Amino acid sequence: GAGVSQTPSNKVTEKGKYVELRCDPISGHTALYWYRQSLGQGPEFLIYFQGTGAADDSGLPNDRFFAVRPEGSVSTLKIQRTERGDSAVYLCASSLFPSYNEQFFGPGTRLTVL
Amino acid sequence: AQKVTQAQTEISVVEKEDVTLDCVYETRDTTYYLFWYKQPPSGELVFLIRRNSFDEQNEISGRYSWNFQKSTSSFNFTITASQVVDSAVYFCALSESITGNQFYFGTGTSLTVIP
Repeated sequence: GAGVSQTPSNKVTEKGKYVELRCDPISGHTALYWYRQSLGQGPEFLIYFQGTGAADDSGLPNDRFFAVRPEGSVSTLKIQRTERGDSAVYLCASSLFPSYNEQFFGPGTRLTVL
Repeated sequence: AQKVTQAQTEISVVEKEDVTLDCVYETRDTTYYLFWYKQPPSGELVFLIRRNSFDEQNEISGRYSWNFQKSTSSFNFTITASQVVDSAVYFCALSESITGNQFYFGTGTSLTVIP
C-alpha cells in the first residue's frame, strides 16, 4: 500500500513569503504528526492531529506556523513571513492509532528560505 | 535537558564487523516507549523497533538486536556482521505517557560501513 506522501519534495522561497507544505497520510491512519529536522539533528516535534483537531501544538515555534487537517486525512503546514531560520526538512508521519504506536514517516519537504 | 542522548555522532566500521549504537534516555514517567529508526541517504525514516517500559526482554531480529536496561536507562542497538547497506543515520526516540504522542528523538548516530 501507499506510504505517507509529502509535496513538494523541495521548496525554495524568499524571506518574508508564505509557504504551504502538504502531507497525505497512510489511508486509515487517524493520527498525523509534523516534525522539523535541521541538518545534523533529529526530528523535532511540531504538532499532532487526532482526526481533524490539533491535539497537541506545543511544538510550533511561533504564531507564524499553523497547520490544518480539515477532513481528517490530508494536512497542510502553513508558514507565514518565512525566515532563513525556517530552512529545514519538514517531516510528516502518521500512525494507525495514537499513543505510542510506531509512526510511519514521509520523505519530507526540504524548505530553503533565501 | 535532552530526553534522548546518542553520544556517538559518527561511527565507521569495516564490513562484517559488529557495531553497537548507544542510546540513553531520561524520563520521570513509568510508562513509556522507546523506538529505533533508520534514516538512509534517501532521507525517509524507517521504523525498526518499539519497546515498552514494562518489557525488558532483549530482542533479536536477524542481524539486529536490542538491549533494553531500565537500570541504566539505556536502549542500545547492535548490528551483527554489518553490511554496506546498513550505512545510514540511526535515531533513538522516546514517547512518554505524560506528554502524550510526540516523539523525542536523539541527535542520531551516522554509521558508515566500509566495504
